[in-house]
Amino acid sequence: EAQVTQNPRYLITVTGKKLTVTCSQNMNHEYMSWYRQDPGLGLRQIYYSMNVEVTDKGDVPEGYKVSRKEKRNFPLILESPSPNQTSLYFCASRPGTSSYEQYFGPGTRLTVT
Amino acid sequence: LAKTTQPISMDSYEGQEVNITCSHNNIATNDYITWYQQFPSQGPRFIIQGYKTKVTNEVASLFIPADRKSSTLSLPRVSLSDTAVYYCLVAEGDDMRFGAGTRLTVKP
Repeated sequence: EAQVTQNPRYLITVTGKKLTVTCSQNMNHEYMSWYRQDPGLGLRQIYYSMNVEVTDKGDVPEGYKVSRKEKRNFPLILESPSPNQTSLYFCASRPGTSSYEQYFGPGTRLTVT
Repeated sequence: LAKTTQPISMDSYEGQEVNITCSHNNIATNDYITWYQQFPSQGPRFIIQGYKTKVTNEVASLFIPADRKSSTLSLPRVSLSDTAVYYCLVAEGDDMRFGAGTRLTVKP
């Protein structure tokens, strides 16, 4: 089944404790993205990647890191999480420049206390 | 990247056709228009994509006038399960940004 998976689905952590949210897709898509969704602010893009080793900042990259060492994986790293990073996070992928049909993961609900 | 403007909310009744219009006055020549649907606590789901004129698939139609400064998503005969937030995006190259979306409520 074609899908985007994220782990963990739920995470409660404390300020400053490094964490990684994994994202994996099995569709051989070139493009992958991370979004966060907050009430009243909608979906905002954090980072995106056009291919292996190629990443770029979205609208709200501060406090986040990403890497794309393999085509299928695009982890989101929070080196020192803060409470304002409490949010619902979505990973997405799409085939390439000819299509803007993104496939989204199930989401990761992160709480930073 | 072109900014999009949509109504914040809309109400409809089961069986009716719903049209949601999105304004994107600054759309560029190479931009595509894409619509997504999102249910609470789920990731958005792609509905339809278009560049100009009319595009139709099994769930919706997308109407884009010649000047491309707006687009209209048409949902035929909505049901209660179509209650969701609908997003219009103008996609340019690698950049895909979601606007505020339109909250559609379908009533019995």
